Amino acid sequence: NAGVTQTPKFQVLKTGQSMTLQCAQDMNHNSMYWYRQDPGMGLRLIYYSASEGTTDKGEVPNGYNVSRLNKREFSLRLESAAPSQTSVYFCASSRYEKLFFGSGTQLSVL
Amino acid sequence: GQQVMQIPQYQHVQEGEDFTTYCNSSTTLSNIQWYKQRPGGHPVFLIQLVKSGEVKKQKRLTFQFGEAKKNSSLHITATQTTDVGTYFCALPGEGGSEKLVFGKGTKLTVNP
Repeated sequence: NAGVTQTPKFQVLKTGQSMTLQCAQDMNHNSMYWYRQDPGMGLRLIYYSASEGTTDKGEVPNGYNVSRLNKREFSLRLESAAPSQTSVYFCASSRYEKLFFGSGTQLSVL
Repeated sequence: GQQVMQIPQYQHVQEGEDFTTYCNSSTTLSNIQWYKQRPGGHPVFLIQLVKSGEVKKQKRLTFQFGEAKKNSSLHITATQTTDVGTYFCALPGEGGSEKLVFGKGTKLTVNP
């Protein structure tokens, strides 16, 4: 079972570059999430999607956009990357409030 | 927004010692969840507590939900090196939403 799949696993960007982090789940979950994890800060919610076609801001949405393309896929876009966006990004989906996480994307912005 | 405090931030123990992490909320909770993240890994769901005063056990792990449903604890008896990782509590967002709010975690290291 694949569960939640994130790509890429690692990425290095220069300031100002754009990129999209991809996430797909094969568990038929309605809800999907993007979190970022920084040392000593825990996991902070960037965006949330309760169902296909709906998205909602989380705690730290500035500098990010999302697309819930269909029930399976939820992508996160950085339009103009900044060093402050250096972080580990986790996608998750949920069933009955229990979150299933992908393996993460380690992003460095130079 | 939802406020959550998790302590301690770090805990180093000798193998065989006990370990406890605490999570405190500023509001009454409908439920609380606990996750474990191994070094270099992703968070993995451990348990959800729903009832006031609830106590649940998973082998050497004991989870408690406070009577007032504002705090919770995770206790590990006789730690092993396999317990190494960061333990997070997670609370429902404002209004009980599915936008879970995570504590900052307790990083546990175990000296063999």
